[in-house]
Amino acid sequence: EAAVTQSPRSKVAVTGGKVTLSCHQTNNHDYMYWYRQDTGHGLRLIHYSYVADSTEKGDIPDGYKASRPSQENFSLILELASLSQTAVYFCASSDPHREGTGQLYFGEGSKLTVL
Amino acid sequence: AQSVTQPDARVTVSEGASLQLRCKYSYSGTPYLFWYVQYPRQGLQLLLKYYSGDPVVQGVNGFEAEFIKSNSSFHLRKASVHWSDSAVYFCAVSQNSGGSNYKLTFGKGTLLTVTP
Repeated sequence: EAAVTQSPRSKVAVTGGKVTLSCHQTNNHDYMYWYRQDTGHGLRLIHYSYVADSTEKGDIPDGYKASRPSQENFSLILELASLSQTAVYFCASSDPHREGTGQLYFGEGSKLTVL
Repeated sequence: AQSVTQPDARVTVSEGASLQLRCKYSYSGTPYLFWYVQYPRQGLQLLLKYYSGDPVVQGVNGFEAEFIKSNSSFHLRKASVHWSDSAVYFCAVSQNSGGSNYKLTFGKGTLLTVTP
């Protein structure tokens, strides 16, 4: 049974519209992450969180907001979607204190197309 | 800042042949190094990791990697590949910047195609 689930798995949005990508984990992990994947760029970290009600900026946070209302849930919000935000988005969770640094568990990804 | 370079965007090998996927990293401290694999239409899965000690680490499905500090490299190897190994492979380095920050920086990935 998938421990990190993302929704929606695929979405088409219009430029300037608002998009919310949701992530739910049942791993009981404190850390959660949002990455985007683009051809030729690999995965880049957008936002992460290590405790509920708190988020941190990753390497490419511009144009994105994040929300962590509970340990299990982590959302990525695009207030004004742009063409350049077309990508596949991955959510992940981890518990570096119990399982060691770098052991991330990924969801299956959300493909976002902005038109 | 940390970074990872995977110089080969695509690698094609024949089934049964040996494999090496290259990875070089840049990191000022002691690196934690990882290889992840992404099968089609799936998320990434951890293949193996290196923290310290024996520079050769074993992973799942017969994969191994060797940490060579002098060369800043962490190449992935497999003695005999199978068609099911076709996937995208990502090398990654972890940053521990203190406190509660744990970030993983990925390379661009190498698409491995195993031909019959």
